[in-house]
Amino acid sequence: DIVMTQSPDSLAVSLGERATINCKSSQSVLYSSNNKNYLAWYQQKPGQPPKLLIYWASTRESGVPDRFSGSGSGTDFTLTISSLQAEDVAVYYCQQYYSTPSFGPGTKVDIK
Amino acid sequence: QVQLVQSGAEVKKPGSSVKVSCKASGGTFSSYAISWVRQAPGQGLEWMGRIIPILGIANYAQKFQGRVTITADKSTSTAYMELSSLRSEDTAVYYCARVGNDYVLDYWGQGTLVTVSS
Repeated sequence: DIVMTQSPDSLAVSLGERATINCKSSQSVLYSSNNKNYLAWYQQKPGQPPKLLIYWASTRESGVPDRFSGSGSGTDFTLTISSLQAEDVAVYYCQQYYSTPSFGPGTKVDIK
Repeated sequence: QVQLVQSGAEVKKPGSSVKVSCKASGGTFSSYAISWVRQAPGQGLEWMGRIIPILGIANYAQKFQGRVTITADKSTSTAYMELSSLRSEDTAVYYCARVGNDYVLDYWGQGTLVTVSS
């Protein structure tokens, strides 16, 4: 099974500043035949189900603000919030769907 | 608009079973897989398994093999997740989610809290 790790566990960022979350998979999630990374990012606010933000490592889901961006390939990925807004306070999870799906442990984002 | 509506909270005794339902509307139920994900209190997300309703084929995370059964009723556009031999560690919110065209979980149910307590 592919194990996902995230760093940091939590971070506090000032409003309008950049937040960066890292995600690492124990093996590559890049499928060579289509050159796609099977990596998604979800946002979860308290008391709510997760919400899909990014898939294929860098494709934003419809309706997701463009301050959210994903990058990376193979085993190392990053979610960036370019200008943190109050409504972005949440826990963010990466997930691989290359094989049996698995999630990272989550990164909590707060306002400094 | 796709909606997944789950059944209500449950309180179960250790050793018993629970069956959670997930009714879909606003889309073509049979064409998409439904996954089940759980979240223990204050913890992260854990994928349990999925079913492809049109095929009736389910597969499960190894951790839950033998204890979980996922089924689907195409006639009512409802998926079910049954977990048996419950223990206190199974106390969690259980979510159903649709597996979209890009293999990701694009629509989620509201979650069902299952509490296992003697």
